Amino acid sequence: KAGVTQTPRYLIKTRGQQVTLSCSPISGHRSVSWYQQTPGQGLQFLFEYFSETQRNKGNFPGRFSGRQFSNSRSEMNVSTLELGDSALYLCASSGGLAVISRSYNEQFFGPGTRLTVL
Amino acid sequence: SQKIEQNSEALNIQEGKTATLTCNYTNYSPAYLQWYRQDPGRGPVFLLLIRENEKEKRKERLKVTFDTTLKQSLFHITASQPADSATYLCALDISTGRRALTFGSGTRLQVQP
Repeated sequence: KAGVTQTPRYLIKTRGQQVTLSCSPISGHRSVSWYQQTPGQGLQFLFEYFSETQRNKGNFPGRFSGRQFSNSRSEMNVSTLELGDSALYLCASSGGLAVISRSYNEQFFGPGTRLTVL
Repeated sequence: SQKIEQNSEALNIQEGKTATLTCNYTNYSPAYLQWYRQDPGRGPVFLLLIRENEKEKRKERLKVTFDTTLKQSLFHITASQPADSATYLCALDISTGRRALTFGSGTRLQVQP
């Protein structure tokens, strides 16, 4: 089974621009979560999508948004980029059932997109 | 808000020894706790999940304990190998049934041959 894929792997933008990152989950997974990882703040939860609906959102400004398509693929968008948005953006997928069971709480992470804002 | 603390200093041990990593949390009573491994430039990889009613969980050379009274989890790697060198992250699911993990800052483990 193919793993989680993220595109692009590396991106360089300038302040004020916007960026869209893409994530393809593992086949059959319906839940996609996004995380931001920086040396100072570590891994921080951005939001989670399940069946095209945002189910949970972290403490990030409205410049960060996302969506999920009917095939479970997800995109996240950051508008009006700031220098502090430079980070590794990670996508994770899981089975997605809204029950606590062992197999559905394990998250499978992609390799990430390294965003540099100049 | 919930807080997760891991030893931010790197842990250096000799090959063959047991590595023990600590994860402490406050202001939360998680139903379960997860451990992940992350190598430089890569996404985290799931290792183990332990539930609140489980005191210990094992998987090959890995062992996790979970003390909900102390609000602490210990992660052990026995017979450590240089290939075990990585950053280890503990994480709590802050929202029942959903995948909103709160991660600790991670502990970097370096196993010397």
